[in-house]
Amino acid sequence: AQTIHQWPVAEIKAVGSPLSLGCTIKGKSSPNLYWYWQATGGTLQQLFYSITVGQVESVVQLNLSASRPKDDQFILSTEKLLLSHSGFYLCAWSPLGENTLYFGAGTRLSVL
Amino acid sequence: GDSVTQTEGLVTLTEGLPVMLNCTYQSTYSPFLFWYVQHLNEAPKLLLKSFTDNKRPEHQGFHATLHKSSSSFHLQKSSAQLSDSALYYCALSFQGGSAKLIFGEGTKLTVSS
Repeated sequence: AQTIHQWPVAEIKAVGSPLSLGCTIKGKSSPNLYWYWQATGGTLQQLFYSITVGQVESVVQLNLSASRPKDDQFILSTEKLLLSHSGFYLCAWSPLGENTLYFGAGTRLSVL
Repeated sequence: GDSVTQTEGLVTLTEGLPVMLNCTYQSTYSPFLFWYVQHLNEAPKLLLKSFTDNKRPEHQGFHATLHKSSSSFHLQKSSAQLSDSALYYCALSFQGGSAKLIFGEGTKLTVSS
């Protein structure tokens, strides 16, 4: 069975500090990987997607970057956090050639 | 461009009454439609997905029918339960495993006793 693990579960960070969020998918090779962001009370906004190792496409510019260093790992990061980065960050995967998304448990980020 | 519209931001129902959440879409190509449900402080989970052969998907008492003529994929349930209270997102994707999934704004369903 496939499992998706996100870390950390929650973060409280200061404005201007760096951030790194991670996501690992086990039990599935070569999945499509995604980062979504959800402001409090807001909809799901796709940030990045990756269909293969080393390749990441940006969907929305939010002063964030993403990388896929391994087939099963997706990293979201920034060097300087803004207040507007607060929210719920969700990693998701879909099987190769399919279009159904499966979400991780998410990371709740508060920037103060 | 491709888009998903959920006209109701908030739906409030009494337990036992029928549920219908609206979803319409605009799409250049023949799409797949999805309903995701997100309970408070949880991640979204797949509820339903449209079939290519026009079968009606059903799960946990919910069902939805893809009507290409009206570009709709409304979510329905015959009798609301308290546990149905959640955020519901309609989403659109395309055949061939495209990495593009477009979500609607979401509808918050609140079921009271």
